[in-house]
Amino acid sequence: SQQGEEDPQALSIQEGENATMNCSYKTSINNLQWYRQNSGRGLVHLILIRSNEREKHSGRLRVTLDTSKKSSSLLITASRAADTASYFCATDGDAGGTSYGKLTFGQGTILTVHP
Amino acid sequence: AAGVIQSPRHLIKEKRETATLKCYPIPRHDTVYWYQQGPGQDPQFLISFYEKMQSDKGSIPDRFSAQQFSDYHSELNMSSLELGDSALYFCASSLGQPRLTEAFFGQGTRLTVV
Repeated sequence: SQQGEEDPQALSIQEGENATMNCSYKTSINNLQWYRQNSGRGLVHLILIRSNEREKHSGRLRVTLDTSKKSSSLLITASRAADTASYFCATDGDAGGTSYGKLTFGQGTILTVHP
Repeated sequence: AAGVIQSPRHLIKEKRETATLKCYPIPRHDTVYWYQQGPGQDPQFLISFYEKMQSDKGSIPDRFSAQQFSDYHSELNMSSLELGDSALYFCASSLGQPRLTEAFFGQGTRLTVV
């Protein structure tokens, strides 16, 4: 299976609720990034968390990283209809390695926020 | 702020034809990645370059080749196109040193092979 697997595959919530998406990966990483993608559009970078960080905030986004469990979560608080999109996590190469050139994506969570 | 520019945005080609996709990274970024995303799929890594040298290679068919030029822009050349090559092709750029930074993606090129 792929590095950076996410769950749930689909999440449907009401505006104002919080949305939590999880990502698991298999190998050591330098950092983990979360992206958002509207249907058929480009990938928008949301947040990067390094392997030596445990939690990071950006606006309504909160990302956690547990390297012992090789997992990360993305929390969107007070969701809005405009948050409807697919959300992907992506991990880079091995920690301490020389590979600068590969981000591996998970299969994404489709988030639908109903007004 | 300048973003990653990809051209063309849309491309329609016939089977067995050749296509060239271009990517202009964010200024000062030295690392470029190419990804292919089929309908409903996650982005699949194709190839990347750091300082004009290939740095990693993924599931890129032999029919495809890519390079990064002296001005850091990159081109993905696709020959003998097949129907299955229809997809969104994304380019991303980042800084490779001292540690990999955020990778920013372009809007993608939608390739349709008919």
